[in-house]
Amino acid sequence: DAGVIQSPRHEVTEMGQEVTLRCKPISGHDYLFWYRQTMMRGLELLIYFNNNVPIDDSGMPEDRFSAKMPNASFSTLKIQPSEPRDSAVYFCATTAPPFTDTQYFGPGTRLTVL
Amino acid sequence: AQSVAQPEDQVNVAEGNPLTVKCTYSVSGNPYLFWYVQYPNRGLQFLLKYITGDNLVKGSYGFEAEFNKSQTSFHLKKPSALVSDSALYFCAVRGAGSSNTGKLIFGQGTTLQVKP
Repeated sequence: DAGVIQSPRHEVTEMGQEVTLRCKPISGHDYLFWYRQTMMRGLELLIYFNNNVPIDDSGMPEDRFSAKMPNASFSTLKIQPSEPRDSAVYFCATTAPPFTDTQYFGPGTRLTVL
Repeated sequence: AQSVAQPEDQVNVAEGNPLTVKCTYSVSGNPYLFWYVQYPNRGLQFLLKYITGDNLVKGSYGFEAEFNKSQTSFHLKKPSALVSDSALYFCAVRGAGSSNTGKLIFGQGTTLQVKP
């Protein structure tokens, strides 16, 4: 298996633009998590899905952030409009309890909003 | 509420010496405990986990961790540190059974610096 795939790996955009981050989970993993990592706040859980349904979105910072999982093979995290304070590394992770309790992380998307 | 604490922002150790990265947790019921490592510009990589059984868990790259229920700790250890072990280390906890919400609670991370 190729592991969790995220795209793009790097994104540079200007304030006010829409940004879409993508994640392809490991096949068979029915939990998907979106995290954000910054120096100031560390690793934050934004939202997670089980069987394509959002379970907990309490970590989503503002209405500018939205996430979808239209099918078991794909999820998106969208920021519209983007702001400089959204600059961070965004990670996707997946797992499949009880088959595995371990979350497997993607390589991340480094977002820079100018 | 579940929580995990890593009391040290940074740990410095000389190459060849033993290392310990500390972690304490709070969870109702039996915990599932994890250690992850993050190298620069990379995603988090799983190192090891404790679910049940032997309190001493062995993981990747020669790391091990000891689960101590009475002290609610899960410290990461390695007998002989390598310069290549220098990275950011995260401890995480998840509740088991009825406390299982599917998500991990991560500590704030500890930077390990191994000097030659």
